[in-house]
Amino acid sequence: EVQLVESGGGLVQPGGSLRLSCAASGFTVSSNFMNWVRQAPGKGLEWVSVTYSGGGTHYGDSVKGRFTVSRDNSKNTLYLQMNNVRVEDTAVYYCARHPLGYGGNGYYFDYWGQGTLVTVSS
Amino acid sequence: QSVLTQPPSVSGAPGQRVTISCTGSSSNIGAGYDVHWYHQLPGTAPKLLIYGNNNRPSGVPDRFSGSKSGTSASLAITGLQAEDEADYYCQSYDSSLSGCVFGTGTKVTVL
Repeated sequence: EVQLVESGGGLVQPGGSLRLSCAASGFTVSSNFMNWVRQAPGKGLEWVSVTYSGGGTHYGDSVKGRFTVSRDNSKNTLYLQMNNVRVEDTAVYYCARHPLGYGGNGYYFDYWGQGTLVTVSS
Repeated sequence: QSVLTQPPSVSGAPGQRVTISCTGSSSNIGAGYDVHWYHQLPGTAPKLLIYGNNNRPSGVPDRFSGSKSGTSASLAITGLQAEDEADYYCQSYDSSLSGCVFGTGTKVTVL
């Protein structure tokens, strides 16, 4: 069974750092496109980043240069390193998988974790 | 920022049909990128409803259907049920942003 479990959220001061984790089971993280998506309180969904199966990454403009994605293949875990955080980074952060073998144009998310809340406040 | 525009809310009586529009541009839906739909209950993670414009994952009732034309897409819910009350989001890819984009979200209310 495919499962994604995020952890690492919490309260952080503006300008601080936090590392989120997304532990996967039931599939191999390194074989899929893995994404981070966030949702500010009461707001809509915002795509944050994608990590391709080949290891390349791409970021949304709002986090570019501040957030970094990495993965530990031995732990089948994806990470989101958040540096120089801002109040507007306050959100529930989800990791989400794009399935292998999709023959269409673009990508989507078939499995999501339960999310972890990050609150940026002084 | 949301690049895809959806109506803030739609409503209908049980058994009725409702549709949710998703309007994009020439760099996303109009460029031929597929549209996908998710629904989200309060306090829970989004769940995939439609992928590849009009495909339902296993377990999604055939009351839900998707379509796409030009720079827009639509989600239709027929035979509306109380359990369909949720927020709905469309999603695609945008070549100018080199990343995924979501719709602004639509709250469906069953009267």
